[in-house]
Amino acid sequence: EADIYQTPRYLVIGTGKKITLECSQTMGHDKMYWYQQDPGMELHLIHYSYGVNSTEKGDLSSESTVSRIRTEHFPLTLESARPSHTSQYLCASSEYGVNSPLHFGNGTRLTVT
Amino acid sequence: AQKITQTQPGMFVQEKEAVTLDCTYDTSDPSYGLFWYKQPSSGEMIFLIYQGSYDQQNATEGRYSLNFQKARKSANLVISASQLGDSAMYFCAMREGRSGEKLTFGTGTRLTIIP
Repeated sequence: EADIYQTPRYLVIGTGKKITLECSQTMGHDKMYWYQQDPGMELHLIHYSYGVNSTEKGDLSSESTVSRIRTEHFPLTLESARPSHTSQYLCASSEYGVNSPLHFGNGTRLTVT
Repeated sequence: AQKITQTQPGMFVQEKEAVTLDCTYDTSDPSYGLFWYKQPSSGEMIFLIYQGSYDQQNATEGRYSLNFQKARKSANLVISASQLGDSAMYFCAMREGRSGEKLTFGTGTRLTIIP
């Protein structure tokens, strides 16, 4: 069973605040991902990492940043939240290989007022 | 161009009937994997089934099977004997070797099971 955890589950915050969404996995996976999803819509890749000290921007431009200092931890930071950042953020991890599924956390639903 | 196309935004199916969710894909990479995920209203993504580009047999997992037609580039999900708990969004996704193994999603199909 996949073990990937995201906190917080829900976050309501005011405009201009700095936020960090946490994501941790206990499976030892090198590959980790952040997806952004509006309600009922498709998932868009915003960041990914192939291992420690590796981070890349995804297909959808995002004002957020990520870091990968430890294999198990892949936090996402917004320096100054705006209402346009309101969305669900899903973290995932996987093994190498096109045959490996991504294992997702439960997501963080962010609302910026 | 869309890499994954799901043409059914929504479907309504009677309980206990079988349902087919359509998915077509576009790639020139010979090595790729196709995945189906279920997303209930609670928001988590649940992995259902996988099909590899080199697999000769269609994948099956319990009530889920994948109708893989490589020449037509389609990978339809079949759910047999649908249950009320199957009501959810369903996403088809593809992972290609050349694109760094990123997972690309379709727009999803919202399935509603009617009692």
